[in-house]
Amino acid sequence: EPEVTQTPSHQVTQMGQEVILRCVPISNHLYFYWYRQILGQKVEFLVSFYNNEISEKSEIFDDQFSVERPDGSNFTLKIRSTKLEDSAMYFCASALGWTRGTGELFFGEGSRLTVL
Amino acid sequence: SQQGEEDPQALSIQEGENATMNCSYKTSINNLQWYRQNSGRGLVHLILIRSNEREKHSGRLRVTLDTSKKSSSLLITASRAADTASYFCATADNYGQNFVFGPGTRLSVLP
Repeated sequence: EPEVTQTPSHQVTQMGQEVILRCVPISNHLYFYWYRQILGQKVEFLVSFYNNEISEKSEIFDDQFSVERPDGSNFTLKIRSTKLEDSAMYFCASALGWTRGTGELFFGEGSRLTVL
Repeated sequence: SQQGEEDPQALSIQEGENATMNCSYKTSINNLQWYRQNSGRGLVHLILIRSNEREKHSGRLRVTLDTSKKSSSLLITASRAADTASYFCATADNYGQNFVFGPGTRLSVLP
């Protein structure tokens, strides 16, 4: 069964460093998302991406964050100048969309980011 | 914000009992979905209910939606230890594509 894959599964970085989290969404999906979850807490929406541009972003998604779909398969989240509070699990999700599917989100297993 | 809010925050039951979780939200929605998350894992879609539906079943799951009260409930019947997980509701706005999750209910099913 097709799945969303994320790399790395765990990344440890020093405060102030840049981090890139990578995702390979399901190949025929059209909508892409990043969420984050601080340990044991709620799942927070960061950004949605459709038709090669950001369709919506949350207050969390400030200038420190950026997303890219550099080719037909990868979807990346870049965090510039990481802060301690960026430590969290970051989830990528993709969806086929309403016109072609049910709108269900398919999640990857997450990338755990630890900022020291 | 359309964010869903689940209650209770935590629920502990014995195997074989039914578990009911509730979700409330604030704005008009296109659909509401329930997801499950095992500890340290990604979220897995359980069931979706559209705004024009009132009840939906899938196996041991039953979801209801009351748009007048802006609330939904997830019932898991005959629970098993393997149902132990966190359960989240997610609401999509009227465009149907941007999903916001509630804080979740942590369900513990004791053998």
